[in-house]
Amino acid sequence: GIQVEQSPPDLILQEGANSTLRCNFSDSVNNLQWFHQNPWGQLINLFYIPSGTKQNGRLSATTVATERYSLLYISSSQTTDSGVYFCAVEPQSGAGSYQLTFGKGTKLSVIP
Amino acid sequence: DTEVTQTPKHLVMGMTNKKSLKCEQHMGHRAMYWYKQKAKKPPELMFVYSYEKLSINESVPSRFSPECPNSSLLNLHLHALQPEDSALYLCASSHPYKLPTSRNEQFFGPGTRLTVL
Repeated sequence: GIQVEQSPPDLILQEGANSTLRCNFSDSVNNLQWFHQNPWGQLINLFYIPSGTKQNGRLSATTVATERYSLLYISSSQTTDSGVYFCAVEPQSGAGSYQLTFGKGTKLSVIP
Repeated sequence: DTEVTQTPKHLVMGMTNKKSLKCEQHMGHRAMYWYKQKAKKPPELMFVYSYEKLSINESVPSRFSPECPNSSLLNLHLHALQPEDSALYLCASSHPYKLPTSRNEQFFGPGTRLTVL
């Protein structure tokens, strides 16, 4: 099956700093989503971005589908940004399934 | 409304109990999912329903029994669980696969944190 690798696995930031999270995937994809899982376990949709660039406030994301990677940028980080960031993909190949494969996540800690 | 709701938020059960988890969405989605997430791990897909029919079962043990009574509701019936089944159970929904005007963006509920004693 498709492989999804996220880096770094852990990241500690001072409040106000910027960061870049990376997601590499091993095959072509129909769907790529970025999620933020807060400390209570809720998975919050950040971006649906199988290709291209999107921005939402302090967050932006870029997916270069031909090179099989996606980047999530967090600017001016806040303590509320803490949590785990997951990249999840749906491969183009296979049985046309609905299956999102998740990376292992990047655990972000923003300290005041 | 982009909300998926799940009840209960927390559940503690013994190995001989029978319980059910419930999930509801009112986004007009016709695909619904159950995921299981162990601590410090990513979510893993358990079941997919499309148009109220089970389309994917990821080799889940029969002590987990899904049910989709209508297009808005998804249940997960639990029976004779083991302590290793303790986890966060997440429900998600999306438009069905590859409709011309839709995309398979999945939206998740807040989860049910299950503890099996």
